[in-house]
Amino acid sequence: QKEVEQDPGPLSVPEGAIVSLNCTYSNSAFQYFMWYRQYSRKGPELLMYTYSSGNKEDGRFTAQVDKSSKYISLFIRDSQPSDSATYLCAMSEDNAGNMLTFGGGTRLMVKP
Amino acid sequence: GAVVSQHPSWVICKSGTSVKIECRSLDFQATTMFWYRQFPKQSLMLMATSNEGSKATYEQGVEKDKFLINHASLTLSTLTVTSAHPEDSSFYICSASVGPHEGNIPETQYFGPGTRLLVL
Repeated sequence: QKEVEQDPGPLSVPEGAIVSLNCTYSNSAFQYFMWYRQYSRKGPELLMYTYSSGNKEDGRFTAQVDKSSKYISLFIRDSQPSDSATYLCAMSEDNAGNMLTFGGGTRLMVKP
Repeated sequence: GAVVSQHPSWVICKSGTSVKIECRSLDFQATTMFWYRQFPKQSLMLMATSNEGSKATYEQGVEKDKFLINHASLTLSTLTVTSAHPEDSSFYICSASVGPHEGNIPETQYFGPGTRLLVL
Protein backbone atom coordinates (compact mmCIF):
# COMPACT_ATOMS: atom_id res chain seq x y z
CA GLN A 1 0.00 0.00 0.00
CA LYS A 2 1.34 3.41 -0.95
CA GLU A 3 1.83 5.94 1.78
CA VAL A 4 -0.27 8.49 -0.11
CA GLU A 5 -3.10 7.43 -2.39
CA GLN A 6 -4.65 9.61 -5.05
CA ASP A 7 -7.18 8.67 -7.72
CA PRO A 8 -5.35 9.10 -11.04
CA GLY A 9 -8.46 10.11 -12.95
CA PRO A 10 -8.89 11.52 -15.48
CA LEU A 11 -11.64 13.60 -13.96
CA SER A 12 -13.68 15.38 -16.60
CA VAL A 13 -16.04 18.20 -15.61
CA PRO A 14 -17.88 20.98 -17.45
CA GLU A 15 -16.73 24.55 -17.08
CA GLY A 16 -18.15 26.16 -13.94
CA ALA A 17 -18.43 22.93 -11.99
CA ILE A 18 -17.12 22.47 -8.48
CA VAL A 19 -14.23 20.04 -8.47
CA SER A 20 -13.21 17.89 -5.55
CA LEU A 21 -9.75 16.32 -5.54
CA ASN A 22 -8.76 14.00 -2.74
CA CYS A 23 -5.86 12.16 -1.17
CA THR A 24 -5.75 9.59 1.60
CA TYR A 25 -2.66 8.76 3.57
CA SER A 26 -1.54 6.21 6.11
CA ASN A 27 1.16 8.04 8.08
CA SER A 28 -0.48 9.75 11.03
CA ALA A 29 2.68 11.79 11.60
CA PHE A 30 2.06 13.94 8.51
CA GLN A 31 1.32 17.51 9.58
CA TYR A 32 1.98 19.68 6.54
CA PHE A 33 -0.11 19.23 3.43
CA MET A 34 0.40 20.78 0.05
CA TRP A 35 -1.26 20.84 -3.31
CA TYR A 36 0.69 21.28 -6.51
CA ARG A 37 -0.64 21.85 -10.02
CA GLN A 38 1.31 20.49 -12.95
CA TYR A 39 0.55 21.40 -16.53
CA SER A 40 1.58 19.00 -19.24
CA ARG A 41 5.35 18.98 -19.79
CA LYS A 42 5.92 21.52 -17.02
CA GLY A 43 7.20 21.36 -13.46
CA PRO A 44 4.74 21.34 -10.55
CA GLU A 45 3.58 24.68 -9.20
CA LEU A 46 2.71 25.11 -5.52
CA LEU A 47 -0.96 26.03 -5.10
CA MET A 48 -1.58 25.86 -1.38
CA TYR A 49 -0.27 24.47 1.85
CA THR A 50 -2.03 23.76 5.11
CA TYR A 51 -0.83 22.85 8.55
CA SER A 52 -2.70 20.29 10.63
CA SER A 53 -6.47 20.04 10.30
CA GLY A 54 -8.95 22.57 9.02
CA ASN A 55 -9.73 24.58 5.93
CA LYS A 56 -7.78 27.16 4.00
CA GLU A 57 -9.20 29.27 1.20
CA ASP A 58 -7.40 31.10 -1.56
CA GLY A 59 -9.60 32.55 -4.29
CA ARG A 60 -11.41 29.70 -6.04
CA PHE A 61 -9.37 27.08 -4.21
CA THR A 62 -10.11 25.58 -0.80
CA ALA A 63 -7.84 23.04 0.88
CA GLN A 64 -9.30 20.86 3.58
CA VAL A 65 -7.53 18.51 5.96
CA ASP A 66 -9.18 15.87 8.14
CA LYS A 67 -6.39 14.30 10.13
CA SER A 68 -8.75 11.99 12.03
CA SER A 69 -9.71 10.36 8.73
CA LYS A 70 -6.28 10.84 7.14
CA TYR A 71 -7.97 12.54 4.22
CA ILE A 72 -7.25 15.79 2.44
CA SER A 73 -9.19 17.57 -0.27
CA LEU A 74 -8.76 20.40 -2.72
CA PHE A 75 -11.94 22.07 -3.94
CA ILE A 76 -11.99 24.24 -7.04
CA ARG A 77 -15.02 26.48 -7.48
CA ASP A 78 -16.18 27.82 -10.85
CA SER A 79 -13.70 25.60 -12.64
CA GLN A 80 -12.14 26.95 -15.82
CA PRO A 81 -10.56 25.22 -18.82
CA SER A 82 -7.27 26.73 -17.65
CA ASP A 83 -7.57 24.57 -14.51
CA SER A 84 -7.04 21.49 -16.67
CA ALA A 85 -3.87 19.96 -15.29
CA THR A 86 -2.60 17.22 -13.01
CA TYR A 87 -2.99 17.98 -9.32
CA LEU A 88 -0.52 16.44 -6.90
CA CYS A 89 -0.95 16.30 -3.17
CA ALA A 90 2.19 16.23 -1.04
CA MET A 91 2.75 15.97 2.67
CA SER A 92 5.48 15.92 5.27
CA GLU A 93 5.90 15.16 8.93
CA ASP A 94 7.59 18.40 9.83
CA ASN A 95 8.17 21.82 8.40
CA ALA A 96 11.44 20.75 6.83
CA GLY A 97 10.24 20.10 3.31
CA ASN A 98 13.02 17.73 2.47
CA MET A 99 10.81 14.73 3.20
CA LEU A 100 7.83 15.44 1.00
CA THR A 101 5.75 12.42 0.05
CA PHE A 102 3.76 12.89 -3.14
CA GLY A 103 0.53 11.33 -4.27
CA GLY A 104 0.36 9.94 -7.78
CA GLY A 105 -1.59 12.92 -9.12
CA THR A 106 -5.10 13.35 -10.47
CA ARG A 107 -5.56 14.51 -14.03
CA LEU A 108 -8.35 17.08 -14.32
CA MET A 109 -9.99 18.12 -17.56
CA VAL A 110 -12.39 21.06 -17.55
CA LYS A 111 -14.40 21.19 -20.74
CA PRO A 112 -15.69 24.53 -22.07
CA GLY B 1 9.51 35.30 -6.30
CA ALA B 2 10.87 31.75 -5.79
CA VAL B 3 11.62 31.06 -9.43
CA VAL B 4 13.59 27.98 -10.41
CA SER B 5 14.98 27.50 -13.88
CA GLN B 6 16.32 24.43 -15.65
CA HIS B 7 18.51 24.14 -18.67
CA PRO B 8 18.15 22.66 -21.18
CA SER B 9 14.39 22.25 -21.43
CA TRP B 10 14.84 19.24 -23.65
CA VAL B 11 17.72 17.20 -24.99
CA ILE B 12 18.11 14.34 -27.43
CA CYS B 13 21.30 12.37 -27.29
CA LYS B 14 22.84 9.14 -28.49
CA SER B 15 23.16 6.14 -26.23
CA GLY B 16 26.43 6.19 -24.31
CA THR B 17 26.81 9.95 -24.11
CA SER B 18 26.61 12.04 -20.94
CA VAL B 19 24.08 14.79 -20.42
CA LYS B 20 24.28 17.64 -17.91
CA ILE B 21 21.18 19.38 -16.62
CA GLU B 22 21.40 22.65 -14.68
CA CYS B 23 19.01 23.80 -11.99
CA ARG B 24 19.13 27.40 -10.77
CA SER B 25 17.21 29.30 -8.14
CA LEU B 26 16.91 32.72 -9.73
CA ASP B 27 15.77 35.01 -6.93
CA PHE B 28 16.62 33.17 -3.75
CA GLN B 29 19.31 31.05 -2.19
CA ALA B 30 18.44 27.42 -1.69
CA THR B 31 20.26 25.39 0.86
CA THR B 32 18.69 22.24 -0.44
CA MET B 33 17.84 21.19 -3.96
CA PHE B 34 16.09 18.02 -5.06
CA TRP B 35 16.14 16.00 -8.24
CA TYR B 36 13.11 14.05 -9.40
CA ARG B 37 12.30 11.85 -12.33
CA GLN B 38 8.85 11.54 -13.78
CA PHE B 39 7.68 8.96 -16.29
CA PRO B 40 4.58 9.60 -18.42
CA LYS B 41 1.37 9.71 -16.40
CA GLN B 42 3.23 8.89 -13.21
CA SER B 43 4.06 10.96 -10.18
CA LEU B 44 7.39 12.42 -9.19
CA MET B 45 10.05 10.00 -8.01
CA LEU B 46 12.68 11.55 -5.80
CA MET B 47 16.15 10.64 -6.99
CA ALA B 48 18.38 12.58 -4.64
CA THR B 49 18.63 15.42 -2.18
CA SER B 50 21.46 17.85 -2.62
CA ASN B 51 22.86 20.25 -0.04
CA GLU B 52 25.25 22.99 -1.02
CA GLY B 53 28.84 22.01 -0.47
CA SER B 54 28.21 18.40 0.50
CA LYS B 55 27.59 15.10 -1.19
CA ALA B 56 24.12 14.33 -2.42
CA THR B 57 21.92 11.80 -0.66
CA TYR B 58 20.50 9.30 -3.12
CA GLU B 59 17.26 7.41 -2.80
CA GLN B 60 17.32 3.64 -2.74
CA GLY B 61 17.74 2.20 -6.20
CA VAL B 62 19.27 5.32 -7.73
CA GLU B 63 22.83 4.75 -8.96
CA LYS B 64 25.01 7.56 -7.67
CA ASP B 65 27.75 6.81 -10.21
CA LYS B 66 25.27 7.12 -13.05
CA PHE B 67 23.46 10.23 -11.83
CA LEU B 68 26.16 12.63 -10.70
CA ILE B 69 24.95 15.59 -8.70
CA ASN B 70 26.99 18.68 -7.97
CA HIS B 71 25.70 21.49 -5.77
CA ALA B 72 28.47 24.03 -6.02
CA SER B 73 26.60 27.09 -4.85
CA LEU B 74 23.39 28.14 -3.14
CA THR B 75 21.79 28.87 -6.49
CA LEU B 76 23.06 26.09 -8.74
CA SER B 77 22.83 22.32 -8.80
CA THR B 78 23.67 20.08 -11.74
CA LEU B 79 22.63 16.56 -12.60
CA THR B 80 24.80 14.64 -15.03
CA VAL B 81 23.40 11.47 -16.54
CA THR B 82 26.51 9.51 -17.43
CA SER B 83 26.56 7.00 -20.27
CA ALA B 84 22.87 7.54 -20.90
CA HIS B 85 20.77 4.69 -22.26
CA PRO B 86 17.25 4.64 -23.72
CA GLU B 87 15.80 3.55 -20.38
CA ASP B 88 17.07 6.83 -18.90
CA SER B 89 14.68 8.73 -21.17
CA SER B 90 12.40 10.62 -18.83
CA PHE B 91 11.33 14.01 -17.55
CA TYR B 92 13.83 15.28 -14.97
CA ILE B 93 12.64 17.97 -12.58
CA CYS B 94 14.58 19.82 -9.93
CA SER B 95 13.26 21.76 -6.99
CA ALA B 96 14.77 24.17 -4.51
CA SER B 97 13.52 24.63 -1.00
CA VAL B 98 12.85 27.81 0.93
CA GLY B 99 12.09 28.17 4.62
CA PRO B 100 10.72 27.14 7.04
CA HIS B 101 9.32 30.39 8.27
CA GLU B 102 7.53 31.50 11.41
CA GLY B 103 3.84 30.82 11.69
CA ASN B 104 3.95 27.18 10.65
CA ILE B 105 4.94 28.05 7.12
CA PRO B 106 6.79 24.95 6.08
CA GLU B 107 9.95 24.62 4.11
CA THR B 108 8.54 24.71 0.61
CA GLN B 109 9.83 23.20 -2.55
CA TYR B 110 9.64 25.25 -5.72
CA PHE B 111 10.00 23.30 -8.90
CA GLY B 112 11.78 24.01 -12.13
CA PRO B 113 10.04 23.57 -15.48
CA GLY B 114 11.70 20.20 -16.08
CA THR B 115 14.05 18.78 -18.69
CA ARG B 116 12.86 16.19 -21.12
CA LEU B 117 15.60 13.72 -21.99
CA LEU B 118 15.35 11.36 -24.94
CA VAL B 119 18.14 8.87 -25.42
CA LEU B 120 18.23 7.22 -28.82
